[in-house]
Amino acid sequence: EDQVTQSPEALRLQEGESSSLNCSYTVSGLRGLFWYRQDPGKGPEFLFTLYSAGEEKEKERLKATLTKKESFLHITAPKPEDSATYLCAVRNQAGTALIFGKGTTLSVSS
Amino acid sequence: KAGVTQTPRYLIKTRGQQVTLSCSPISGHRSVSWYQQTPGQGLQFLFEYFSETQRNKGNFPGRFSGRQFSNSRSEMNVSTLELGDSALYLCASSFDGVEAFFGQGTRLTVV
Repeated sequence: EDQVTQSPEALRLQEGESSSLNCSYTVSGLRGLFWYRQDPGKGPEFLFTLYSAGEEKEKERLKATLTKKESFLHITAPKPEDSATYLCAVRNQAGTALIFGKGTTLSVSS
Repeated sequence: KAGVTQTPRYLIKTRGQQVTLSCSPISGHRSVSWYQQTPGQGLQFLFEYFSETQRNKGNFPGRFSGRQFSNSRSEMNVSTLELGDSALYLCASSFDGVEAFFGQGTRLTVV
């Protein structure tokens, strides 16, 4: 069964304190791994797509990496505006649906 | 380029009623998917439409249904509402069937 597990569930950081969020997955043929950011009461905002092990994508203070079993979202020198829930999802070769993890809620204080 | 538009943003309904939610995808996107988001279960797939045909369906009861029109706009209907149907309903559109872009959602509260 395709599955996505994110850790930690919640993460509190001081402004400037870098850290990483983990997304472990099992999927029958990876068609894509996706990271989204979601603010309270809003829809998920697309961040990155990763297709194969070894791939990396960067956007401002965020960098996503992918191995055959997990993905990391590295946050460098975070700011309070980076506070949000970060969701990881995979799509298998059948492409039936996005399978989401429960998310990591990040709080960055100044 | 306009994003995915969902209407209405908020709804309050009574148990037993039915509700229709609307989604306008990004221009040029022919795939529209619907997801239910609750604090306990997270995001769960409801169904996907492509060129007016339901292509995939998640594990939800038949009270949940949808359709897609020739302009790719989609509607989702929930009949005989239950308290447990209270959730954020999200629509996502896709051009290539891989990357999906979400709307802001419709917050449904059933009382």
